Amino acid sequence: ETGVTQTPRHLVMGMTNKKSLKCEQHLGHNAMYWYKQSAKKPLELMFVYNFKEQTENNSVPSRFSPECPNSSHLFLHLHTLQPEDSALYLCASSVKGLAGQQFFGPGTRLTVL
Amino acid sequence: RKEVEQDPGPFNVPEGATVAFNCTYSNSASQSFFWYRQDCRKEPKLLMSVYSSGNEDGRFTAQLNRASQYISLLIRDSKLSDSATYLCAVEGVGDSWGKLQFGAGTQVVVTP
Repeated sequence: ETGVTQTPRHLVMGMTNKKSLKCEQHLGHNAMYWYKQSAKKPLELMFVYNFKEQTENNSVPSRFSPECPNSSHLFLHLHTLQPEDSALYLCASSVKGLAGQQFFGPGTRLTVL
Repeated sequence: RKEVEQDPGPFNVPEGATVAFNCTYSNSASQSFFWYRQDCRKEPKLLMSVYSSGNEDGRFTAQLNRASQYISLLIRDSKLSDSATYLCAVEGVGDSWGKLQFGAGTQVVVTP
């Protein structure tokens, strides 16, 4: 399925690196989300964008910086991360108002050394 | 108390058997509930929405119990392909409307 794509699929970075995660949705949706998924923990909502406007910043550290240039693309810029930031980062999209019906991308498995 | 809680399992189920598990939520004002399925090393996928009257889709039945604040998922005639982690999600209300709160998931392992 190619409804929501994410690149890269795997990323290993040092604590001083700067990298970006990319998400693209081909479903015509107008809401996009970033989640963090750590082992045995619930999905943690990080950011929400509706019609390119950020409507949620769930107390996420400033070393994570989202960008939504249009309704189809979402980025997560990473800098000076910590080892505890290692996790699966999932992007999702939905029609605004139908947040329960989200389509997820395959995720980026991030390892911070 | 966590906002959304699930028994992590695993629930080991013989092929062909029935398995059921619950998800409790803390906010009594919650209105919208969902079950997602997540296969190992894959992304979550929406399985079912949960309506107040319950919802059935083939071998899967979801129920809502507002009085006790939980939703349930029942899988009949389990198949090997049903092995996955099942995530419960509750949509927020008020300022949290439009955002999902997920449980940590219930692992189901269907054995031959």
